Amino acid sequence: DARVTQTPRDKVTEMGQEVTMRCQPILGHNTVFWYRQTMMQGLELLAYFRNRAPLDDSGMPKDRFSAEMPDATLATLKIQPSEPRDSAVYFCASGRNTDTQYFGPGTRLTVL
Amino acid sequence: AQSVTQPDIHITVSEGASLELRCNYSYGATPYLFWYVQSPGQGLQLLLKYFSGDTLVQGIKGFEAEFKRSQSSFNLRKPSVHWSDAAEYFCAVGVSGNTPLVFGKGTRLSVIA
Repeated sequence: DARVTQTPRDKVTEMGQEVTMRCQPILGHNTVFWYRQTMMQGLELLAYFRNRAPLDDSGMPKDRFSAEMPDATLATLKIQPSEPRDSAVYFCASGRNTDTQYFGPGTRLTVL
Repeated sequence: AQSVTQPDIHITVSEGASLELRCNYSYGATPYLFWYVQSPGQGLQLLLKYFSGDTLVQGIKGFEAEFKRSQSSFNLRKPSVHWSDAAEYFCAVGVSGNTPLVFGKGTRLSVIA
């Protein structure tokens, strides 16, 4: 049963620290999405890639967030420096062609 | 721009009762529509999707949804709710299945005995 995996599942950090979240998409999927879920905003897109190329990162605060796909099996989302308002659940999802998006379990980030 | 409205923030139903969760969308063309379910502390699981064809779609766990273009709606239904259905339900719309989705705010379902 192919699944999207995300690490870490939970992260607690201090304000100003760097945070790196990792996602392994389902093998063969060519599109990777990063979404953020908060109580106030709900689920919102941060960035997405197709065939490892970034297509849209307009949802990310550019000064502190960065997203990359070093290879087809790994996507990363970094926050530097982190702030308390970044506390949220970050989801990675992957998909293929016009197919459905499948979500990972999420990384719950708490910035103190 | 696409948007999704889920008018009900929280719904409580008795176990065994029927369920309907409402979803209205705004999109200029024929949308790709989805329902996802999220249990506490878990990711989003796809319940069902509509791309084209038959407007009544069947999903997992006994759920179904009906696409009504004239009402811009995609309501989720289940004839008999089980306690394990208690969760948060999200409706989403996209240009395709593999482009960014726009989600509603979600409806939290509670099931009582």
